Order: sequence, then C-alpha cells, then structure tokens
Amino acid sequence: QVHLQESGPGLVKPSETLSLTCTVSGGSISNYYWSWIRQPPGKGLEWIGYIYSSGSTIYNPSLKSRVTISIDTSKNHFSLKLTSVTAADTAVYYCARLRYNYGFDYWGQGTLVIGSS
Amino acid sequence: EIEMTQSPATLSVSPGERATLSCRASHSVASNLAWYQQRPGQAPSLLIYGASTRATGIPARFSGSGSGTEFTLTISSLQSEDFAVYYCQQYHNWPLFTFGPGTKVDFK
Repeated sequence: QVHLQESGPGLVKPSETLSLTCTVSGGSISNYYWSWIRQPPGKGLEWIGYIYSSGSTIYNPSLKSRVTISIDTSKNHFSLKLTSVTAADTAVYYCARLRYNYGFDYWGQGTLVIGSS
Repeated sequence: EIEMTQSPATLSVSPGERATLSCRASHSVASNLAWYQQRPGQAPSLLIYGASTRATGIPARFSGSGSGTEFTLTISSLQSEDFAVYYCQQYHNWPLFTFGPGTKVDFK
C-alpha cells in the first residue's frame, strides 16, 4: 500500500517561501507522476502542479510564476516551493500520486500552511 | 481551460435514500472524468475514474455515468459514512487538471 506524508512548516511569513516535502513509502517513486493540490479552509481543491519521476514538470498557469516542484528519487520524496506567499496561500496542502487516464489515486493526509506574520 | 461545475451545492438526504449528484464540463472531456469523496477532516479519496469505473475497493452502491459534458454520480442507498463532499475532476485536458466546486451530501 502506497503511503504519502507531507512535512514542512505550518506558518510562513508573507513574502517568504513555502517549502513542503512529500515522502513516499510502500512503493517506488519511479515511473509515476506526483502532484501537489491545495485546499483553502472551507473551500474546494486547486491543482498546483506535477512532476514525473524523470524530473519533468507541469504547473497550474495561475501559480506557474511562483511554483517549483522537484524530486529526489534516491530519497523517495518530492518537494514543493511556493514563493512570495500571501494570506491567500493559506490552505491544506496535499501531495498525491497521479496516474494517466486514472486520476489522483493516493493522497497524503494533508498539512495546513498559514501565510501570516 | 476546462471549467467544471457541480449541482446542487448541498444535497440533503436520509440514510438509505438514493443520492444523485451532477457535474458539468464547459467543453467535452469525453470520459476523462474522476469523482472523489472527502469526509470531514480527511484527504479526498478516488471513487470513480473513466466516468464510470469504480476504483479499487469502492462499494457497488457508487456508480458513475455520462460522457462529453454531463456526468452523474449516484449513491444507490446512502450509508452513514457516505455523508461527505464529492468532487468531480477532469483529466481530459492533460496536463492541466481542474476540479469542480463540490457537492456536500448531508443529513436531511
């Protein structure tokens, strides 16, 4: 059973960079797409972007200028960086595995990040 | 961008009743649509992919139908654990994905 776990600071000051890591266990990170999705409190889901195990990335155009997703296959984890954080970036951030023609089949439990001083 | 809408925003149902949730895409997504369930305080979980195929371990009371721009998720007989928020998501426009705003199924 594949398990994903997000980790990182729960509070980020405005204008600073949000950094999260998702550790994958119970399966290989290779040959899959890995994604970040966020959910502001009480609101719906917003796809942030994905990375393939080879390192190729695609980002949501609305966030593209501020987002970087990277991967370390030797450590079985991938990471999210979001620059110039504001209060509007306050959300639960989920990592998930994406399968072609299938959807997001495994999700982490999510981690709440608050953009505030 | 393909926009997704869902109706109703909230559906009030009694246990044992049938629930019918709708999802509409702004452009055809063929059958490239998934449904997710999100229970309070939990991450979403995949219910249906390919518009009508249940994901592994999903009970038969969940069924999906539709293609193109109109989709339906039906829960044939609601159990207590089914009271949750349900999201549709298109992956037709790979590599860009969009979710619907969700339908909350709550107790009547």
